[in-house]
Amino acid sequence: KNEVEQSPQNLTAQEGEFITINCSYSVGISALHWLQQHPGGGIVSLFMLSSGKKKHGRLIATINIQEKHSSLHITASHPRDSAVYICAVNRFGNEKLTFGTGTRLTIIP
Amino acid sequence: DAGVIQSPRHEVTEMGQEVTLRCKPISGHDYLFWYRQTMMRGLELLIYFNNNVPIDDSGMPEDRFSAKMPNASFSTLKIQPSEPRDSAVYFCASTQTGRGKGYTFGSGTRLTVV
Repeated sequence: KNEVEQSPQNLTAQEGEFITINCSYSVGISALHWLQQHPGGGIVSLFMLSSGKKKHGRLIATINIQEKHSSLHITASHPRDSAVYICAVNRFGNEKLTFGTGTRLTIIP
Repeated sequence: DAGVIQSPRHEVTEMGQEVTLRCKPISGHDYLFWYRQTMMRGLELLIYFNNNVPIDDSGMPEDRFSAKMPNASFSTLKIQPSEPRDSAVYFCASTQTGRGKGYTFGSGTRLTVV
């Protein structure tokens, strides 16, 4: 079993819909990251969380430390949001990232 | 800030040849990571450095792979001899301890070994 699990693996939605991507982890962590990768593109760091909630534009990330769960929400989704979203964690005392398998999001105009 | 700079962006080489990938981290970042991404295995850590010192190289596949960080502004990942199964996208990333702002990734090097 992977230490970091994401769901769903694939998600297709209509433009304007509210999107939720989930991440669960099974180890103690010091931080959780949400990353974005466009097709054929580089990797961009969206959020780094250790507690609570963060918001950047239409993107919101939340984390529940007790439940070992995080969600990434996209409001008013747009075709340019189509990308792979990757959840990754830092285990306690470790700077290296452990990655989930990613969620491929496709937003249809 | 120009971000993390990797070169080359694309590399096509013949099996058996030596390949060198290069990375310039963000100035002031004290951690540097080399990752490999494939369709089958996703993102995998190969090695990371702290203050130019290798900390964890357990992800380096075998003796054909080596990495160096001679100074705070430059790192190389070398594959010798290269094999078709090394074909992947190789990413370099850097971060700064305690900054709380996550990691910055380079644009990656797409390596094809034929």
